[in-house]
Amino acid sequence: QVQLQESGPGLVKPSETLSLTCAVSGSSISSGYFWGWIRQPPGKGLEWIGSIYYSGSTYNNPSLKSRVTISLDTSNQFSLKLNSVTAADTAVYYCARVRCTSISCYVAGPWGQGILVTVSS
Amino acid sequence: QSALTQPPSVSGSPGQSVTISCTGTSSDVGSYDRVSWYQQPPGTAPKLMIYEVTNRPSGVPDRFSGSRSGNTASLTISGLQAEDEAHYYCSSYTTSTSVIFGGGTKLTVL
Repeated sequence: QVQLQESGPGLVKPSETLSLTCAVSGSSISSGYFWGWIRQPPGKGLEWIGSIYYSGSTYNNPSLKSRVTISLDTSNQFSLKLNSVTAADTAVYYCARVRCTSISCYVAGPWGQGILVTVSS
Repeated sequence: QSALTQPPSVSGSPGQSVTISCTGTSSDVGSYDRVSWYQQPPGTAPKLMIYEVTNRPSGVPDRFSGSRSGNTASLTISGLQAEDEAHYYCSSYTTSTSVIFGGGTKLTVL
């Protein structure tokens, strides 16, 4: 059974860098899926951040692109870095397994449980 | 890129059918079979219900179905059950190799 678990600080100061890690168990991150990050501000809808393939290919949200880095780590993990954060980046951050084909890309799941990150001084 | 447009809320009684619409553009919803749908009960992570417009993942009841006409996709839930009460989000891959979500629709089972 594939499981994903986010980890990282729950509080980040404005202008600093948000750093999260997603640990994958039950599947290798080189299994042919993409691995992605999605966020959800409190009481609001979902926003795509980006995703990465084991080859290093990424599909990122153009509106966040200059601030986002998604990378593959050792030990079957992948990570998210979002720099120059503001209060608008306060959200629940989910990692998830993503399937991308030549014409489509969707969050196949599973999803992590989500981690609330608050940006505040 | 703008979010896809969904109605904020829909409702129906047990046993009835409801349809949730999702409107985009020719660069996303209207381009190939790129639409997916997610169910999110309160306090939980979303779950994939439909992918590539009409396909159901294993384990999703056949009461859930998807369709598309032009730049508008739809999710229909037939035989409504109390457990279907949740937020529903549509999503589409785009020609700029990104993914966008709709604003979400709250389904209330009366």
